[in-house]
Amino acid sequence: AQSVTQLDSQVPVFEEAPVELRCNYSSSVSVYLFWYVQYPNQGLQLLLKYLSGSTLVKGINGFEAEFNKSQTSFHLRKPSVHISDTAEYFCAVSPSTGGYNKLIFGAGTRLAVHP
Amino acid sequence: GAVVSQHPSWVICKSGTSVKIECRSLDFQATTMFWYRQFPKQSLMLMATSNEGSKATYEQGVEKDKFLINHASLTLSTLTVTSAHPEDSSFYICSAFPLRLTNYGYTFGSGTRLTVV
Repeated sequence: AQSVTQLDSQVPVFEEAPVELRCNYSSSVSVYLFWYVQYPNQGLQLLLKYLSGSTLVKGINGFEAEFNKSQTSFHLRKPSVHISDTAEYFCAVSPSTGGYNKLIFGAGTRLAVHP
Repeated sequence: GAVVSQHPSWVICKSGTSVKIECRSLDFQATTMFWYRQFPKQSLMLMATSNEGSKATYEQGVEKDKFLINHASLTLSTLTVTSAHPEDSSFYICSAFPLRLTNYGYTFGSGTRLTVV
């Protein structure tokens, strides 16, 4: 079984400051890793994903994440945030074998960007 | 590509009535779709996996007779909340997995906010 821990429920930050949203996972098998963003009353939009290869993954809207297998982490970073980045961010994992596997989500981190 | 349309985006219904939510993959075929439930300020909880042409697989604790899932075609899955009660009020989101694994990933609908009064 897999589990995901997002260490911060809320992260306040000032506009143009850097931000890191932390994600740790637990799994007995290899996994794929995802970060999604959710704006109020909307579905989820994929920011980036790690399937294999380079451990540094670049996504949309200037976000990037680094897969660290030894620390079982997949932290999301952005060097300079904007007001429009205010949203809920979810880290998720799925087993990398077996086809259509369900996503397991973390509890989410609310990023609040202040002017 | 890989767009999922969910309808309606919001619905209010009376207690005891049934509500149907549709999830369509617009530009791809999906043999598998997932239904999630999200309570305010909480994460997404998987309710069931919808399989085209066969019965859905429900997660532990989800009442299959209350949350009826039908996946009649490769582009449409429906979730029917039967005999709805106020505690069923929630945000429901579907997700589809493209048949072709050329770009592995899940695409989500925009969600349906159900309010039972």
